[in-house]
Amino acid sequence: DGGITQSPKYLFRKEGQNVTLSCEQNLNHDAMYWYRQDPGQGLRLIYYSQIVNDFQKGDIAEGYSVSREKKESFPLTVTSAQKNPTAFYLCASSLGLAALSSYNEQFFGPGTRLTVL
Amino acid sequence: GIQVEQSPPDLILQEGANSTLRCNFSDSVNNLQWFHQNPWGQLINLFYIPSGTKQNGRLSATTVATERYSLLYISSSQTTDSGVYFCAVMEYGNKLVFGAGTILRVKS
Repeated sequence: DGGITQSPKYLFRKEGQNVTLSCEQNLNHDAMYWYRQDPGQGLRLIYYSQIVNDFQKGDIAEGYSVSREKKESFPLTVTSAQKNPTAFYLCASSLGLAALSSYNEQFFGPGTRLTVL
Repeated sequence: GIQVEQSPPDLILQEGANSTLRCNFSDSVNNLQWFHQNPWGQLINLFYIPSGTKQNGRLSATTVATERYSLLYISSSQTTDSGVYFCAVMEYGNKLVFGAGTILRVKS
């Protein structure tokens, strides 16, 4: 089955700890994204990567870090510098960057719910 | 940056009723997607529709890019249609900007 997997489904963290959320895709997509969703709100972009070994900050990158060492994987680290990390985190991917084609369509994983205790 | 507004914010329907959800955006876009978020949080792709009209079963969508709006039609609603419907438009760098969503509750 082709798709996007995220793990863990639920994650609990103590204040001051860094945690890493996993995102893997087997769709052979070039582009991957991390979004954050707070209760009752839409999604906001944290980081995105258009190609291996390259990534860009989104709107709310402070307190987060990413890496893109493999095409299939785009892990997100929530650091202790993130002041309000409790949220629902969603990973997405798309074929590529062609501006005027369906290569832009993004598909989402099932998400990770992070709670800071 | 681009602004995305969805209306109505909440909608309650009786099973079998039809509904129209609206998405307005503040600038020209290359991509517009509609999603359904189920109670477990999964975002399900409904339509990729930067312009024109598409249909998929009981759902259809129309985007009028020149007037900067998109409509999602749900006909003969079912309880399984309940959830949150998001419109998202693409800004630079493939960044999707989401609206706040429409919460739909379908009662049996």
